[in-house]
Amino acid sequence: RKEVEQDPGPFNVPEGATVAFNCTYSNSASQSFFWYRQDCRKEPKLLMSVYSSGNEDGRFTAQLNRASQYISLLIRDSKLSDSATYLCVVNNAGNMLTFGGGTRLMVKP
Amino acid sequence: GAVVSQHPSRVICKSGTSVKIECRSLDFQATTMFWYRQFPKQSLMLMATSNEGSKATYEQGVEKDKFLINHASLTLSTLTVTSAHPEDSSFYICSTDGASGTSEQYFGPGTRLTVT
Repeated sequence: RKEVEQDPGPFNVPEGATVAFNCTYSNSASQSFFWYRQDCRKEPKLLMSVYSSGNEDGRFTAQLNRASQYISLLIRDSKLSDSATYLCVVNNAGNMLTFGGGTRLMVKP
Repeated sequence: GAVVSQHPSRVICKSGTSVKIECRSLDFQATTMFWYRQFPKQSLMLMATSNEGSKATYEQGVEKDKFLINHASLTLSTLTVTSAHPEDSSFYICSTDGASGTSEQYFGPGTRLTVT
């Protein structure tokens, strides 16, 4: 079983749609959680950290369920520029990040 | 966040040659840098953790004699792919720790290596 699992997609949605991605992690001792965004042939860029209480940044909402070892990302009012691969990332110890395989999002006009 | 650069951004080399990739932290003193590799349509896989002034820590399955890491200063880590083979063709990305107390990492723009 992979340490961090994501549905690879692709998710094809029209502009303005709401889309949700899920992620599960296997290490119950994981400490920090993030969503990164990676554009084609580019480096990952931090989208947002994920907190137990849930957090929102504009159109993006992230939630963490430690009991179920489950992380989610919700994108509202999708824009064409949201098309990218979204990486679920978990920090276990020593600041070592483990990346999920990524979920590809395609927003179409 | 921290600004990280990598050089070169792209390199094509012949099989059997060695390639050096530089990772620089431009505005932040990084005692720890990380080297990742990403094959097409796969996620990032940590290769090694580079510690300033000491030996790098390699992940299981990564040959330390093939992927030489040097972290001689707080702003520079280098990865040398020795005797490169076509299967080493990949996207190599470095990152640095974030500020003290955070677990974010800041990534360089990556180096695309093609071995012919």
